[in-house]
This record gives sequence, structure tokens and C-alpha cells, in this order.
Amino acid sequence: QQQVKQSPQSLIVQKGGISIINCAYENTAFDYFPWYQQFPGKGPALLIAIRPDVSEKKEGRFTISFNKSAKQFSLHIMDSQPGDSATYFCAGERGAGNQFYFGTGTSLTVIP
Amino acid sequence: NAGVMQNPRHLVRRRGQEARLRCSPMKGHSHVYWYRQLPEEGLKFMVYLQKENIIDESGMPKERFSAEFPKEGPSILRIQQVVRGDSAAYFCASSLSGRNQPQHFGDGTRLSIL
Repeated sequence: QQQVKQSPQSLIVQKGGISIINCAYENTAFDYFPWYQQFPGKGPALLIAIRPDVSEKKEGRFTISFNKSAKQFSLHIMDSQPGDSATYFCAGERGAGNQFYFGTGTSLTVIP
Repeated sequence: NAGVMQNPRHLVRRRGQEARLRCSPMKGHSHVYWYRQLPEEGLKFMVYLQKENIIDESGMPKERFSAEFPKEGPSILRIQQVVRGDSAAYFCASSLSGRNQPQHFGDGTRLSIL
């Protein structure tokens, strides 16, 4: 079963706007939540990551918001740029294991 | 290039042949992970290895698939007697240690089965 659910599947945003991607998880043993960006023909590249003892983490234009009680977390991309057009994946890592459980991805298109 | 290196980038095999995918982790990384990605899907975990040891192979199909990470040389993902359903992108990632650490990915091997 899909341990991390991601939405929306695709997203179109105007340049300068805010892109918001949401993820939800069921397994309370998850204790590390990275976000990856993937361009066509390339491997995923780590963007930003958060642990559940923190409610928000910001790096440049990228912010993760984390709601532990709701078991949800989201990626906000401020001032979205055409160069941000890519597929974004959220993931969770279980405390007892090392594999990442990935969401199904969000294809982001930023229109100039 | 200090990143994760995967080769070949593209591999074409006929049904029944063997496919060997190689992965050299980032310098200093001793933890390697293999994932499979199908079109329009996320990455699915296959196996986690440390030098000379398989730590977790819970995502690996029981038959035809094997992985190794020898003391010297790259990690190898081996698929025997390939079938059409094996067509996918296979990604390798490495990390410095095993817990709550970023996994750094290579650019993958695109496997096509004729």
C-alpha cells in the first residue's frame, strides 16, 4: 500500500506565485521527511528535509510545514520560477529502517 | 565528479538475458540503496546494502534479482532472465550513515527489454 500519499498529481503556477504540495502519512514510526526534486532524465536531488520535532523549516524559497498530529507535511515554493518546473517527491523514513517511502510525485509547471 | 555514479545510463536487453547495473557511491559513503521507478510513479525501495552486507532486501523480488556491494568496487544490481515488466529506471543512492541521513541519488540506469 502507498505509505505516503501525495497531492496534487500535477500543478500549474504563474511565475512569482506560491506552489504548494501536500503529503500525508499513516505510519507514526516515520521520523525523517525529505523532499526531492527531479528533472527529466536525472536522478532525484534532495531539496530540504525535516524531522517531526520541528513544525517548520525554511531554506531559501523552499519551506516545509509539518503537522505531527495530523500526520501531514507540505512543501511551499515561494516566488516560483520557470526553472522550478520539475517533479517533486516527498518521502518518509521509518525509525527502525533505512528505506525511504516515496509519494507518487507532483509535476510542477511554472508559467512565465 | 563527487556524486553517485551509475552506469550504464541506458541498457537494452532481450527477454531472457541478464542485466547488470553498477553504482559507485559518493566518496566516503558506505551505505547504498537501490530503487526502481516506473513511468509516472514514485520510487520503490528494493534493497539496502553496506560494504559486503545486505541489510534490508524486503523490496527485492524473490527471484531473478540480486544485489551486492563488495569490499572493493561498485555495487551491482543483477537481474537474471529479464522480462518485459523489468523495464524501468533503476536508481542508486548513497548515504554517509544509515539513519535519518540524506540519500544522494545517481542519474539512474534506464533498462529497456525488447
